Amino acid sequence: AQTVTQSQPEMSVQEAETVTLSCTYDTSESDYYLFWYKQPPSRQMILVIRQEAYKQQNATENRFSVNFQKAAKSFSLKISDSQLGDAAMYFCAYSNYQLIWGAGTKLIIKP
Amino acid sequence: DAGVTQSPTHLIKTRGQQVTLRCSPKSGHDTVSWYQQALGQGPQFIFQYYEEEERQRGNFPDRFSGHQFPNYSSELNVNALLLGDSALYLCASSSLRRGYGYTFGSGTRLTVV
Repeated sequence: AQTVTQSQPEMSVQEAETVTLSCTYDTSESDYYLFWYKQPPSRQMILVIRQEAYKQQNATENRFSVNFQKAAKSFSLKISDSQLGDAAMYFCAYSNYQLIWGAGTKLIIKP
Repeated sequence: DAGVTQSPTHLIKTRGQQVTLRCSPKSGHDTVSWYQQALGQGPQFIFQYYEEEERQRGNFPDRFSGHQFPNYSSELNVNALLLGDSALYLCASSSLRRGYGYTFGSGTRLTVV
């Protein structure tokens, strides 16, 4: 069975600095998708970034980028120039046909 | 372009009762998935509906059932509510034709007392 592990329950970063959130997963599949979602107190899951497993190039979306290491089954999220609005729970998720989620990392931004 | 709409936003039920939660998918999406998110945890997959049929199901008892209508909207029904069913229930829509992009609603907060 596929599993997703986020080993950092909470991370804090100074505003404008860079932070990296860790995620590892386990699967025997070769074709899948990986996601980072952000969940603010409003509860809605917001897609931050998506990576297709067959693409070797790391996905980037403005200040957000990933380090995808397929062989190591690692999928970390780097947030550059952290902003107060980035404060939220961040969830890593694996998808083949359903989303399998990590336990989340609470990101705190210090002004 | 409307996103995913869930109703109601909050609900309080008594143990043993039954509840129905509703979800309208994003325009252009034909697949609806339901997730249960307990406080402080990641979501857990309940089931997924496509073409009015349950395609996949997670590890949830038969008390959890669903339905998808011809307009792609969906309902989640939970019978014989237990205190442990208290959670945030998230609906996500997607389109199989477009790959694996999921759009989430804001969820329904169910409290069982």
